[in-house]
Amino acid sequence: DTGVSQDPRHKITKRGQNVTFRCDPISEHNRLYWYRQTLGQGPEFLTYFQNEAQLEKSRLLSDRFSAERPKGSFSTLEIQRTEQGDSAMYLCASSSTGTSGGYNEQFFGPGTRLTVL
Amino acid sequence: GIQVEQSPPDLILQEGANSTLRCNFSDSVNNLQWFHQNPWGQLINLFYIPSGTKQNGRLSATTVATERYSLLYISSSQTTDSGVYFCAVRNTDKLIFGTGTRLQVFP
Repeated sequence: DTGVSQDPRHKITKRGQNVTFRCDPISEHNRLYWYRQTLGQGPEFLTYFQNEAQLEKSRLLSDRFSAERPKGSFSTLEIQRTEQGDSAMYLCASSSTGTSGGYNEQFFGPGTRLTVL
Repeated sequence: GIQVEQSPPDLILQEGANSTLRCNFSDSVNNLQWFHQNPWGQLINLFYIPSGTKQNGRLSATTVATERYSLLYISSSQTTDSGVYFCAVRNTDKLIFGTGTRLQVFP
């Protein structure tokens, strides 16, 4: 088990371009989360999946953001028409379902650092 | 929504010193995690501690859920302990993070 992986680790793009990030969770984990972290702040929740179903989206996730987890394994996060305010670290985490459907410990990937010029 | 406050915001120590980091939260939570974020941005799990006390080497943590706080103790600090420490509480399905404590340990 190699932990949560994310690709790419760094992305520099020009304003208005589309970008896509990938997250591969720990293999036996059925829950996958996306968070965003800006400089000097703690991570903020964006969205999460249980298997392939997207169960919650934060109001931070504007219409330009879309996330998918088509087969309940890896996930992608796409940002369309990027803006300078999208510059941040995008973190992915995964966890397994706890007993009685509860929530277990989340484990994070190394993140994708996005810079929008 | 739940508010998570961490103190102190910054901490500077000399190698070998002990420290206590505090996390206060405004409502009941399902569980709580402590993380260390290294200079490359990786969040490293330290403790998963909804209540009680746990120890792992030089680090230990205590959560008193009924009084809505958690403490992280670092003993005999080392330069490799430098970084930002976050507590995060879970309410339903997502983690809510505090603003962190930035720790710098000098030789």
